[in-house]
Amino acid sequence: KNEVEQSPQNLTAQEGEFITINCSYSVGISALHWLQQHPGGGIVSLFMLSSGKKKHGRLIATINIQEKHSSLHITASHPRDSAVYICAVRGSGGSNYKLTFGKGTLLTVNP
Amino acid sequence: DAGVIQSPRHEVTEMGQEVTLRCKPISGHNSLFWYRQTMMRGLELLIYFNNNVPIDDSGMPEDRFSAKMPNASFSTLKIQPSEPRDSAVYFCASSLALTVSNQPQHFGDGTRLSIL
Repeated sequence: KNEVEQSPQNLTAQEGEFITINCSYSVGISALHWLQQHPGGGIVSLFMLSSGKKKHGRLIATINIQEKHSSLHITASHPRDSAVYICAVRGSGGSNYKLTFGKGTLLTVNP
Repeated sequence: DAGVIQSPRHEVTEMGQEVTLRCKPISGHNSLFWYRQTMMRGLELLIYFNNNVPIDDSGMPEDRFSAKMPNASFSTLKIQPSEPRDSAVYFCASSLALTVSNQPQHFGDGTRLSIL
């Protein structure tokens, strides 16, 4: 079983829809990251959070430490949001440099 | 503000050849990471440098892979000899000192490597 599980693997939505991507992890962490990767492109860090909720524009990330679960929400989705969204957890203690990645969620937003 | 700079962006070469990937981290960042991304395994950490010193190289697949960081502004990842299964996208990332507090990693655009 992977330490970081994302769902769904693939998601297709119509422009304007509310999107939710989920991430569950099984290890102790010091922080959780949400990353975005456009096809053939680089990786951009969207959020880093260790508790509660963060918001940036139309993107919202939440984390529940007790349940070892995080969600990434996109409100009023747009075709330019089409990308792979990757959840990554940072280890704790002596492994706090190490990111363990989920396999990613491919989001396609149709106009 | 320049981000992490990787070169080349694309590399196609025949198996058996030596491949060298290059990375310039963000100025002032003293943590540097090399990752490999494949369809099968996703993103995996290959090696982590702190203050130019390799701290964790447990992700380096085998002796054909080596990485160096001769100074704070330059790192290389070398594969010799290369094999078709090394085909992947290789990312370099850098961050400020992780001991200060949780710091985000900044990724380069990656090198897409194809070994024929």
